[in-house]
Amino acid sequence: AQSVTQLGSHVSVSEGALVLLRCNYSSSVPPYLFWYVQYPNQGLQLLLKYTTGATLVKGINGFEAEFKKSETSFHLTKPSAHMSDAAEYFCALNSGYALNFGKGTSLLVTP
Amino acid sequence: DGGITQSPKYLFRKEGQNVTLSCEQNLNHDAMYWYRQDPGQGLRLIYYSQIVNDFQKGDIAEGYSVSREKKESFPLTVTSAQKNPTAFYLCASSTWTGGRTEAFFGQGTRLTVV
Repeated sequence: AQSVTQLGSHVSVSEGALVLLRCNYSSSVPPYLFWYVQYPNQGLQLLLKYTTGATLVKGINGFEAEFKKSETSFHLTKPSAHMSDAAEYFCALNSGYALNFGKGTSLLVTP
Repeated sequence: DGGITQSPKYLFRKEGQNVTLSCEQNLNHDAMYWYRQDPGQGLRLIYYSQIVNDFQKGDIAEGYSVSREKKESFPLTVTSAQKNPTAFYLCASSTWTGGRTEAFFGQGTRLTVV
């Protein structure tokens, strides 16, 4: 079965610091991986996706992620955190008929 | 603007009642999905539909029912058989590629049992 594991349910960073949110996957087929962001009481918005090709993927709002097959990882990074980045982040991958989501990581940005 | 509309945004249900959550999309997507979100549990798939007049159970379908009579619409009914219905419900749609493309989400409906 295809699944993702997000390491750390809560991550706290200072404004201007590096953001690193971790995602590891398990898949018996070539994975298609996604990162979504969710603000309180709202739906999910796509940040970026990896399908095939370049393993370093750039997304919106300065986020990027690198697909590492050898490590089965797809970690999300941003060089400098902004207060507006505080939100819930979800990693997801294809299950063959829908997206399977991780449990999410709540990002707190402190001044 | 193209997108997915969920209504209502907030819904209150009494014990023993059935309630229906609306989901409409104008993205011309074949596939539609319902997810349930609980704190700390991520999103769990309730039902999905690849095409009109066809739908499949997801991981947590018990106590829920759906219909897909039109391409644009995928309503979810939370029945009295669902023992713990209080949650945030998200509808999504995508082109049908077996999950290889991104899903687009509505703004969600928060259901509370009173």
